[in-house]
Amino acid sequence: ETGVTQSPTHLIKTRGQQVTLRCSSQSGHNTVSWYQQALGQGPQFIFQYYREEENGRGNFPPRFSGLQFPNYSSELNVNALELDDSALYLCASSLENNYGYTFGSGTRLTVV
Amino acid sequence: DAKTTQPPSMDCAEGRAANLPCNHSTISGNEYVYWYRQIHSQGPQYIIHGLKNNETNEMASLIITEDRKSSTLILPHATLRDTAVYYCIVRVGRANNLFFGTGTRLTVIP
Repeated sequence: ETGVTQSPTHLIKTRGQQVTLRCSSQSGHNTVSWYQQALGQGPQFIFQYYREEENGRGNFPPRFSGLQFPNYSSELNVNALELDDSALYLCASSLENNYGYTFGSGTRLTVV
Repeated sequence: DAKTTQPPSMDCAEGRAANLPCNHSTISGNEYVYWYRQIHSQGPQYIIHGLKNNETNEMASLIITEDRKSSTLILPHATLRDTAVYYCIVRVGRANNLFFGTGTRLTVIP
């Protein structure tokens, strides 16, 4: 079975721009969560999607938005990028919000 | 979710058992203890979880005290590939988010 894949692996954007990050969930998993990990910190929960609906959100502003598609893949969109948005963005999938999450290797976003 | 306290770093000799402690003194009765680890430049990896009984799988053992206020993750024979940041997390059942904290950086020494 394939794991969670994220694209791109690295990305450089300019302050004020918009970015879209993509995630393909593990086969059979219908729940996708997104996390932001700043350097030296643990991952922080952004939001979760279950069967194409948002199923919980962390303390992130509305310029962070997402989508989940019928095949359970997902996108994270960030508008009006700020320098502090520079981080590793992690996607995790699970089955029916089950106990164990499978994480991808992340997308490293640098905002300059 | 209850918060956890972990030492920032630990060393362990290769081949010896690594014992990683975690305090979760405000844990509620319906909160599980989870352990994940993150090897450099990779996403976190699920290790094990438990509610009140000790648990063991192919990767590790989880020992939870009777009052559930602390737990220990045991890697029975640490290898160099176990060098990683280990996160102890408490989570209500199948709640949708994991609160990671800053974890313990375990270094396995040859």
